[in-house]
Amino acid sequence: EAQVTQNPRYLITVTGKKLTVTCSQNMNHEYMSWYRQDPGLGLRQIYYSMNVEVTDKGDVPEGYKVSRKEKRNFPLILESPSPNQTSLYFCASSYREGTEAFFGQGTRLTVV
Amino acid sequence: GENVEQHPSTLSVQEGDSAVIKCTYSDSASNYFPWYKQELGKRPQLIIDIRSNVGEKKDQRIAVTLNKTAKHFSLHITETQPEDSAVYFCAANTGGFKTIFGAGTRLFVKA
Repeated sequence: EAQVTQNPRYLITVTGKKLTVTCSQNMNHEYMSWYRQDPGLGLRQIYYSMNVEVTDKGDVPEGYKVSRKEKRNFPLILESPSPNQTSLYFCASSYREGTEAFFGQGTRLTVV
Repeated sequence: GENVEQHPSTLSVQEGDSAVIKCTYSDSASNYFPWYKQELGKRPQLIIDIRSNVGEKKDQRIAVTLNKTAKHFSLHITETQPEDSAVYFCAANTGGFKTIFGAGTRLFVKA
């Protein structure tokens, strides 16, 4: 089954404790991206990747890191999480830029 | 910077009526305009999209129109049903590789 898988689904952590949210797709898509969803603000793009080893900042990249060492995986790293990063996070993949995005199930992150 | 404005933020209609959601974008190089539906607790899913070389596209009860000159595009849902109740997001793929989403419209369809 074609899908985008994120883990974990839910995470509560403390300020400053490094964490990684994983994202994997099995559709051989070139384009992957991370979004955060906050009430009244819609989906805001954090980082995107056009292909392996090619990444760039979206609209809200501060406090996040990504890597794309393999085509299928695109982890999101929070080196020192802060409470303002409490949000619902979605990973998405597309065949290429400018085509339908397939979203993962979402990760609800709470930083206390 | 680039942005996408979406209106209204909330829309309530009677079952069987039509619903219209409007978006405007700022980057004239934008060339791809998808619409996503997000049901409560679920992930966003594409319902329809349109490219900049097309003015209108229809899929059963759903249609999207694009006015490149005015830089706005709209989602039209006819004969609304209770299962259409959800949050709808418009988006614009910018001239680069970014995708900018609108803030969303919460649609309520009253039976």
